[in-house]
Amino acid sequence: QVQLQESGPGLVKPSGTLSLTCAVSGGSISSSNWWSWVRQPPGKGLEWIGEIYHSGSTNYNPSLKSRVTISVDKSKNQFSLKLSSVTAADTAVYYCASQTNIPGSDPGPFDYWGQGTLVTVSS
Amino acid sequence: EIVLTQSPDFQSVTPKEKVTITCRASQSIGSSLHWYQQKPDQSPKLLIKYASQSISGVPSRFSGSGSGTDFTLTINSLEAEDAATYYCHQSSSLPPLTFGGGTKVEIK
Repeated sequence: QVQLQESGPGLVKPSGTLSLTCAVSGGSISSSNWWSWVRQPPGKGLEWIGEIYHSGSTNYNPSLKSRVTISVDKSKNQFSLKLSSVTAADTAVYYCASQTNIPGSDPGPFDYWGQGTLVTVSS
Repeated sequence: EIVLTQSPDFQSVTPKEKVTITCRASQSIGSSLHWYQQKPDQSPKLLIKYASQSISGVPSRFSGSGSGTDFTLTINSLEAEDAATYYCHQSSSLPPLTFGGGTKVEIK
């Protein structure tokens, strides 16, 4: 059973860069999974930020693409999110999640989720 | 971008009642529609995948149907523990992957 755990600063200053890491346990980050970041502003719905495959291939939400970088560290079995030029609108619970990649199929559902970490953007 | 519109936004239901939540896609997505349950201060939990496929460990009172643009999540005989917000999600087209706005189910 794959387990995901987010970590990173809970407070980021406006115009700064939000950096989070998702540690993968119970499985290899080099397995056939897409690894995603999803966020949820307080009291609001879910927003997909982007995803990465162990090969380094990425897909980003066009609404955030200019500010987002997702990377993978196979040696540490983890993947990371960087979101630059943050504002109060980026305050949210950030989740990492995974989808099992089945060749020839679409990405499918998010099978596994981390517990989420609240990041507040404030001076 | 594929927009998912859920209805209703909120539903107050008595125990043992049947609950129906709909999700409409802005264009056809086949069966690439998944449902999640999120309780307060918890991460979402997968309930139904590919419109109607059940998930191991999820109670049988949860079922899904639909294809193309119109989908339904049904909770038969609602239990108190089902109080939560329910989201649909499409994996047919990206970027971006998208979610519906959510339906909050309250127990009367």
